[in-house]
Amino acid sequence: EVQLVESGGGLIQPGGSLRLSCAASGFTVSVNYMSWVRQAPGKGLEWVSDLYSGGSTYYEDSVKGRFTISRDNSKNTLYLQMNSLRAEDTAVYYCARVRSPGAAFDHYYHYYYMDAWGKGTTVTVSS
Amino acid sequence: QSVLTQPPSVSGAPGQRVTISCTGSSSNIGAGYGVHWYQQLPGTAPKVLIYGNTNRPSGVPDRFSGSKSGTSASLAITGLQAEDEADYYCQAYDTSLSGWVFGGGTKLTVL
Repeated sequence: EVQLVESGGGLIQPGGSLRLSCAASGFTVSVNYMSWVRQAPGKGLEWVSDLYSGGSTYYEDSVKGRFTISRDNSKNTLYLQMNSLRAEDTAVYYCARVRSPGAAFDHYYHYYYMDAWGKGTTVTVSS
Repeated sequence: QSVLTQPPSVSGAPGQRVTISCTGSSSNIGAGYGVHWYQQLPGTAPKVLIYGNTNRPSGVPDRFSGSKSGTSASLAITGLQAEDEADYYCQAYDTSLSGWVFGGGTKLTVL
């Protein structure tokens, strides 16, 4: 069974740092496309960052230069290092596996969709 | 302001049919990479309902269906049930932003 479990959230002051973890089971993180998505209180979903199986990384503009996505293959875990945190980063952070809709699309990441999500971890940035 | 536009709310009585629209542009929905729909029940994580415009993952009832035309997409729910009460989000890849974009979400109320 595919499972994703996020951890590492908490209350942090503006300007501080946090590292979120997403422990995966039932599949191998290193050969999958993984994402972080966040949801501010009472708001909608917002994509944060992608990590392709080949190692390429992508970020939403507001987090570029502050957040870093990475993985530890030996621990089968995805991470999100968040630095210079701002009040507007306050949200529930979800990790998700991003999957191909079919073999014909395997090499075309823009067709992929988020087929498995964790329960999320809450980050609150406040003084 | 979300890149994809959804109505904030829709409602329907049990057994009725409702549709949720999702309007984008040529750089996202119109780019043709597929629109995906997610259901978020209260207090839970999102779950994929429709992927690639029209495809249902196993386990999703056939009461849920998706369609796409040009720069817009729709999610239809027939035979509305109380447990369908949730927030629904559309998603697509945006070539101008080089990332995923979501709709603002639509709250479905079953009357």
